[in-house]
Amino acid sequence: AQSVTQLDSQVPVFEEAPVELRCNYSSSVSVYLFWYVQYPNQGLQLLLKYLSGSTLVKGINGFEAEFNKSQTSFHLRKPSVHISDTAEYFCAVSPTGANNLFFGTGTRLTVIP
Amino acid sequence: EAGVAQSPRYKIIEKRQSVAFWCNPISGHATLYWYQQILGQGPKLLIQFQNNGVVDDSQLPKDRFSAERLKGVDSTLKIQPAKLEDSAVYLCASSWAEGQADFGEGSWLTVV
Repeated sequence: AQSVTQLDSQVPVFEEAPVELRCNYSSSVSVYLFWYVQYPNQGLQLLLKYLSGSTLVKGINGFEAEFNKSQTSFHLRKPSVHISDTAEYFCAVSPTGANNLFFGTGTRLTVIP
Repeated sequence: EAGVAQSPRYKIIEKRQSVAFWCNPISGHATLYWYQQILGQGPKLLIQFQNNGVVDDSQLPKDRFSAERLKGVDSTLKIQPAKLEDSAVYLCASSWAEGQADFGEGSWLTVV
């Protein structure tokens, strides 16, 4: 069984400040890891994903995430946020070979001018 | 390339009524998913199709929810009768490979 924990339900941050959104997972099998963003009244858009290889993954809009197998974490970071980054962010895992996604409960990022 | 199309975008119905949502996946994507996203929660998988066969429907409340993908392309999700707790966004996604999925913009259901 798989589970995803997003430790912070809401993260307020000032514009141009750095941000880290935390994600931990639990799985009895190997997984792929994903971060999705959801803007108001829209569907999910893929930010980045880890399938294999380098544990530091760079995505769209200046976001990056690092896979830490020993800590079973996949935290999302951005060095300087913009107002337009205000959105809901979801961490997800997919068991290798299963081709489906298990999502966390989301983190609401609010960028303050 | 056209994305995953869903309709209707918004629907308001009374409890005990029925509703149907339609999804057109990206051309060539063999796998199609329906997710339910309740306000304040992450999406939860309802059903997964591979072509026109069901791979996983373990989380689908089969007493009221049904889904089909008859020709392995478009899919419909039906709720009958609807309950208040069915108010949610219903997301359709499609995939052509492991580790990849594209989502539609969702169908927003309010049951009153």
